[in-house]
Amino acid sequence: DQQVKQNSPSLSVQEGRISILNCDYTNSMFDYFLWYKKYPAEGPTFLISISSIKDKNEDGRFTVFLNKSAKHLSLHIVPSQPGDSAVYFCAASGNQFYFGTGTSLTVIP
Amino acid sequence: DVKVTQSSRYLVKRTGEKVFLECVQDMDHENMFWYRQDPGLGLRLIYFSYDVKMKEKGDIPEGYSVSREKKERFSLILESASTNQTSMYLCASSTRTGTTEQYFGPGTRLTVT
Repeated sequence: DQQVKQNSPSLSVQEGRISILNCDYTNSMFDYFLWYKKYPAEGPTFLISISSIKDKNEDGRFTVFLNKSAKHLSLHIVPSQPGDSAVYFCAASGNQFYFGTGTSLTVIP
Repeated sequence: DVKVTQSSRYLVKRTGEKVFLECVQDMDHENMFWYRQDPGLGLRLIYFSYDVKMKEKGDIPEGYSVSREKKERFSLILESASTNQTSMYLCASSTRTGTTEQYFGPGTRLTVT
């Protein structure tokens, strides 16, 4: 039973435009949310996080938005760059970490 | 700089073999985790450990066991490898609190033939 879902397996965006990656979760007890980025043949690396007491966290080109009533979070990348092409996983923290299935982002030069 | 290392990047084993995957972290983290990553399924937690000699089952522990004899080392054991255990295995570590990120190793691509 998937507690964290990423319904878009892939996304293509033109360089310079905004990339929006979405994530839904089912457990209202999750109190911390994270985004990871993964290149092929490497482990995931931490990108940005947000506590459940906030609705927005920004770090450079990356912003995460949390909508607790909808149990939805999103990652915005502005402007998108070719080096952002990777698989992005969202994760939620409860008694353990729960990961989504990932969204493969391709930024087209 | 946090470093999580895994003993092998690629491994090929035969059905029925006993397989050991080793993970070492150098940041004195309390928590360590083993995941497998499969297409369309994301990262699924196999086992985790929050202290030496402690272990907890994750979502898919069947067919696996773990060992944590030292704080920095967490081993995943496939008692009798099967073809459905062909996967990418990822080790991670984190500090004790639940509000910090995990640091991942580079992964081990295991193929069971």
